[in-house]
Amino acid sequence: SQQGEEDPQALSIQEGENATMNCSYKTSINNLQWYRQNSGRGLVHLILIRSNEREKHSGRLRVTLDTSKKSSSLLITASRAADTASYFCASRGFGGTSYGKLTFGQGTILTVHP
Amino acid sequence: DGGITQSPKYLFRKEGQNVTLSCEQNLNHDAMYWYRQDPGQGLRLIYYSQIVNDFQKGDIAEGYSVSREKKESFPLTVTSAQKNPTAFYLCASKEGWRRVSPLHFGNGTRLTVT
Repeated sequence: SQQGEEDPQALSIQEGENATMNCSYKTSINNLQWYRQNSGRGLVHLILIRSNEREKHSGRLRVTLDTSKKSSSLLITASRAADTASYFCASRGFGGTSYGKLTFGQGTILTVHP
Repeated sequence: DGGITQSPKYLFRKEGQNVTLSCEQNLNHDAMYWYRQDPGQGLRLIYYSQIVNDFQKGDIAEGYSVSREKKESFPLTVTSAQKNPTAFYLCASKEGWRRVSPLHFGNGTRLTVT
């Protein structure tokens, strides 16, 4: 089963608006990561947040992690048309066979209209 | 520039034929991964390798095989036993399989089997 589930599945906004995407997961995690994928391309890493962190920033990106609710959110502020892409969360569990394995959610398709 | 190269970008095969997808990295990463992406289903892990001459099955290994004879290379063979091989295949690598570090992805190979 998918460890990460994203919400919404699709998001359409105007340039300049903020975009928020949510991710939920089922079991305890070591860390959670967000990736971006442009159409027909590979994924690009955006932010990694560890289980003992609550919030992390990178430029216009802000990621929060709530381990009690098993959820994370990605906020993109002042969006641009170039932010149009699919965004995926991916989580890694603890120890054993979880080492090095990421489980991906189904992604949120973000469309930013100019 | 360091990175991951997947080739070819597009691949067409007849049903019943085996096909091998290439993945090469010059990042000096220990761990390498193969994911399959279908529309609306996110990424699913096929096989992964934490070190040369070692690999493990992921969540959907049936009908696939891999080898890891060199650190730089992790080819994936899609065999005729794979029931639905048409998909977008993504290769990724990671610095140290135990490390908390992100995946680096190639730009994928789109395989179409008719």
